[in-house]
Amino acid sequence: DSGVTQTPKHLITATGQRVTLRCSPRSGDLSVYWYQQSLDQGLQFLIQYYNGEERAKGNILERFSAQQFPDLHSELNLSSLELGDSALYFCASSLGRDRASYEQYFGPGTRLTVT
Amino acid sequence: GIQVEQSPPDLILQEGANSTLRCNFSDSVNNLQWFHQNPWGQLINLFYIPSGTKQNGRLSATTVATERYSLLYISSSQTTDSGVYFCAVDWANSKLTFGKGITLSVRP
Repeated sequence: DSGVTQTPKHLITATGQRVTLRCSPRSGDLSVYWYQQSLDQGLQFLIQYYNGEERAKGNILERFSAQQFPDLHSELNLSSLELGDSALYFCASSLGRDRASYEQYFGPGTRLTVT
Repeated sequence: GIQVEQSPPDLILQEGANSTLRCNFSDSVNNLQWFHQNPWGQLINLFYIPSGTKQNGRLSATTVATERYSLLYISSSQTTDSGVYFCAVDWANSKLTFGKGITLSVRP
């Protein structure tokens, strides 16, 4: 158990809908990262938050957004869902204070199926 | 961006055999991590190894940052070692870039 929790574990929804994925980082970690794993794109970085502020953006679609709350949990919002958004979404966390504390620990993932 | 290449793409071993998994990267990196993705999809941290050598039980890893590669050694493999092994590098702002993974099957 990495200490990172994600809910829900599975999500099945229809095209055009909107969903919210939730992540709680390890106790004490300030950085939260979101990644998407799909068969065709592999594991890709989406976005990072550090202590409530957006720090880095990767290949995140405009239909997707995220935020990190004062208690450090994070949510990833996916809207106008398309079939191609079906994937495993991971949240990771790290202490993130300095280079020595960047090791990332991954949650169990949320498997999203868009039908 | 940085390129991360892992080899071989697939590996089949008999239980008890040893193996070496390789990760090459195209630019200088701040950090490097090895993960094992089990059949249930969970990503398990194996090593955080920007340079040098580390050992954890039957697994060990070496990163030669100046030559831009890392090796993961698995000794006396077990069926529970099956899964996909990912190398991931942090080259800018701590976000990880992953390789495509190496699928390992250990047969009893």
